[in-house]
Amino acid sequence: QKEVEQNSGPLSVPEGAIASLNCTYSDRGSQSFFWYRQYSGKSPELIMSIYSNGDKEDGRFTAQLNKASQYVSLLIRDSQPSDSATYLCAVNKAGTASKLTFGTGTRLQVTL
Amino acid sequence: GAGVSQSPSNKVTEKGKDVELRCDPISGHTALYWYRQSLGQGLEFLIYFQGNSAPDKSGLPSDRFSAERTGGSVSTLTIQRTQQEDSAVYLCASSRTPLSYEQYFGPGTRLTVT
Repeated sequence: QKEVEQNSGPLSVPEGAIASLNCTYSDRGSQSFFWYRQYSGKSPELIMSIYSNGDKEDGRFTAQLNKASQYVSLLIRDSQPSDSATYLCAVNKAGTASKLTFGTGTRLQVTL
Repeated sequence: GAGVSQSPSNKVTEKGKDVELRCDPISGHTALYWYRQSLGQGLEFLIYFQGNSAPDKSGLPSDRFSAERTGGSVSTLTIQRTQQEDSAVYLCASSRTPLSYEQYFGPGTRLTVT
C-alpha cells in the first residue's frame, strides 16, 4: 500500500463545473495535509493546507479532511482552463520533522 | 519577496562526472529540503536541513549524494560519479521553521546524465 494514494487521472471536467480531487493516506498519525498544483514543466505551488478535520475554504478552493477515514480532498469550484494541471497531495507524517510524503498526483483537464 | 531560487536551471553532464546543485531559500526560512522528481515518479524526499545541520538524511539514495548548508542559508547538493538513473528534476523547498510545515518550492534543476 502506498503511503499517499491518488488517482492519476486524467480527471476531465467542463469549464465552470466543480472538480473533486481525492487522496488517501496510510499513516493514521499524520498531522498536516497539503495540496500543491504543478503545471507541466514547472515546480509544485502550494495552494492549500489543512490541519484539522472539516472544511477549509480559500477562494474557489475547498480542502476537506477526514482523519477517521484517512481521506483528504480538494474541491475546485467554477473550474477554469487555467486550473488544468497536476494536483499533488502531500502529507506530513507524525514525528518526521516536516518531511512531506507526496502522492503521484492527479492530472486535471478543464475543457471548454 | 523573493522566492526560493535554484541554479543552474538545467544541467547536462556525462556519466561519471560530479555535479553541484545550488539552492537559495526564502530569506528568513530556517528549514530547507531537497526533493527529487523523476519522470513518471512522485516527489521523493532526499534531505532536510534545520539551520546548518541535517537531522534527516534518510532519503539520500547512495553515498554518492551529499549536501551541505552554510550560514543557515544557501545549500549545495553534490552528486559524485553521476549515473544515468540520477537524471531527474531536483527541487529545493524552504519553510519558515520545521514546525510551520508549509514548504515553498524553487523552480528546480533539471539534471540530465548522458
